Amino acid sequence: QKEVEQDPGPLSVPEGAIVSLNCTYSNSAFQYFMWYRQYSRKGPELLMYTYSSGNKEDGRFTAQVDKSSKYISLFIRDSQPSDSATYLCAMSDYKLSFGAGTTVTVRA
Amino acid sequence: DVKVTQSSRYLVKRTGEKVFLECVQDMDHENMFWYRQDPGLGLRLIYFSYDVKMKEKGDIPEGYSVSREKKERFSLILESASTNQTSMYLCASSTDRANYGYTFGSGTRLTVV
Repeated sequence: QKEVEQDPGPLSVPEGAIVSLNCTYSNSAFQYFMWYRQYSRKGPELLMYTYSSGNKEDGRFTAQVDKSSKYISLFIRDSQPSDSATYLCAMSDYKLSFGAGTTVTVRA
Repeated sequence: DVKVTQSSRYLVKRTGEKVFLECVQDMDHENMFWYRQDPGLGLRLIYFSYDVKMKEKGDIPEGYSVSREKKERFSLILESASTNQTSMYLCASSTDRANYGYTFGSGTRLTVV
């Protein structure tokens, strides 16, 4: 069993829809939780990070962490075609473990 | 902006060749990492380094070695390239061992034929 599980999708939504992305994990030692965005032929870039449980909002993006369920989510409101990318969850105790990534396409 | 520069975007090498992938960062980061990225498998850690001349094995070190002679440069070496090492290789750096906020390079797409 992988330490971090992420549905690879692909996910296709119309412009303006809410995108919901999720990851589950098995390692209770994870303390830092991150979401990276990766455009085609580029390296991943950090989108959001949270420490421990709770919610964090940044513009159209909301990250949620539920440590009791070992479950994290990323929501993208009012999605735009420029949000089309692969989204990777990542978590850390002393080094990062990544999910496989979910490919998202936002249709204009 | 922190920059992590990988020397090649695309490489094609023959089976059995010794391959060097170079990574340079320009913000005096202590920590550097090499990952490979494959469809359905995500990013897997090959090697990492928290200091000059220091290296530690990641999750999949077999067939690879690394060199960190200077703080800004971290090299990944494929001792004898094999076709199963065809992949996207990503270098990253960070200032924080707690490891949020990695900065990644653009990647090297290596094909071994």
